[in-house]
Formats: sequence, C-alpha cells, structure tokens
Amino acid sequence: ETGVTQTPRHLVMGMTNKKSLKCEQHLGHNAMYWYKQSAKKPLELMFVYNFKEQTENNSVPSRFSPECPNSSHLFLHLHTLQPEDSALYLCASSQALADDNEQFFGPGTRLTVL
Amino acid sequence: AQTVTQSQPEMSVQEAETVTLSCTYDTSESNYYLFWYKQPPSRQMILVIRQEAYKQQNATENRFSVNFQKAAKSFSLKISDSQLGDTAMYFCALANFGNEKLTFGTGTRLTIIP
Repeated sequence: ETGVTQTPRHLVMGMTNKKSLKCEQHLGHNAMYWYKQSAKKPLELMFVYNFKEQTENNSVPSRFSPECPNSSHLFLHLHTLQPEDSALYLCASSQALADDNEQFFGPGTRLTVL
Repeated sequence: AQTVTQSQPEMSVQEAETVTLSCTYDTSESNYYLFWYKQPPSRQMILVIRQEAYKQQNATENRFSVNFQKAAKSFSLKISDSQLGDTAMYFCALANFGNEKLTFGTGTRLTIIP
C-alpha cells in the first residue's frame, strides 16, 4: 500500500449504530487530519493530530470521536449519528511543522446515515 | 478569519482548449501558501500546483500554471491543452506559513468535452 488509505470506502449505518472509519498513511508523516466534505460546501476540517496528540477540534459534535494510536493510523468512531452527517469523510496527512503544509489525501469514506 | 472563494461552481471546455479557474482569498497574514487540488471522480484529492506568497514568479507544472496577484488576492489556475483526464473538481486552498490548517474554497467542477 502506498499513500493514504481509508476503509471502508462506503458505509451505510442507522442512527443507533456504532461504526469506525480507519485511515492509514504510508508516507512517514506525523500529522493527520479528518475532513468532512458535503456537496456545495468547502471542506470542513474536523480534527488535527500532530505526533499523536490532538491539536485541533473544530467544534465537532461528540458523536464523532477520533483516535490516533500512532502517527500512521487515525480512526473516527461514530455513534448515534444524524442523517445530516451523511457526507464524504476524507483523511489526510502531512509532515508536521513543515512550512508549506502540503497535505496528502485518502480516497475517502462515503457515509450514509439512515 | 481567512476565506477562499471560488465563484465558478461549474465549467466546461472542449478538449485541447485552455481554461482558467478563478480563486480569490482573504488573509491578514503576509506569508502563506496557496494550492490547487484536483479531485477526480474516483475521489482521491491530489495536489496540482503550489505557490509561495513571497515568490513573485508564478508557479508552473507542465500544462498547469497560476496567475498569482498578491495585491488583488487572486490566484487563478490555467490549464493548457486540456485533456479528458483533467475532468475533476478543483479546489483552491490557503495555508498560513508554518500553520497546519488549510482553508478550502467550495470547488469548481470542470468537465472536459471530447
């Protein structure tokens, strides 16, 4: 595997379900990000982790719970979601403390909440 | 707060023609980076081109070039000799120097017509 991978690619869940999204980066980076992409809206930054520590929580509801066990893996745990949470969730990574913050993105998980 | 505006939600152009995508931004910082990202229908976002604000020379990557007007806070992308594989969503993004956060525009959906 190369680059940034995400699993699953598609997920359908009910509002009472608990599921997790997984992201793995193979680039030796130490910063990882979760974004939410909805139609006709800018990408919304949700969480940032630098060296496994959360450095940004962009006022995300507590029904989204991130976890970063090491610099290569990032999870997003989902529980009691709402239909408006349906979106494409993108993971990205970058070299922390780099000047230009070039981010490398995964293919995303298309989430549908019924 | 910084903002990125892409005023063209959709564009289409004939194959082999040249197309220019517009982007304006607002930031109070003097040192920053600007990016154009491409998201093809398969969804993996990739970096197309990057511009450092302190460099006056416009960045160029093969068929892709930018017109960076710092005083006007404008950052347009020109695609020359457009190809079918250029069909994608294009996002303009801004990052302050040394800051991990990217601010994205709403994107322009570009279709190359055979």
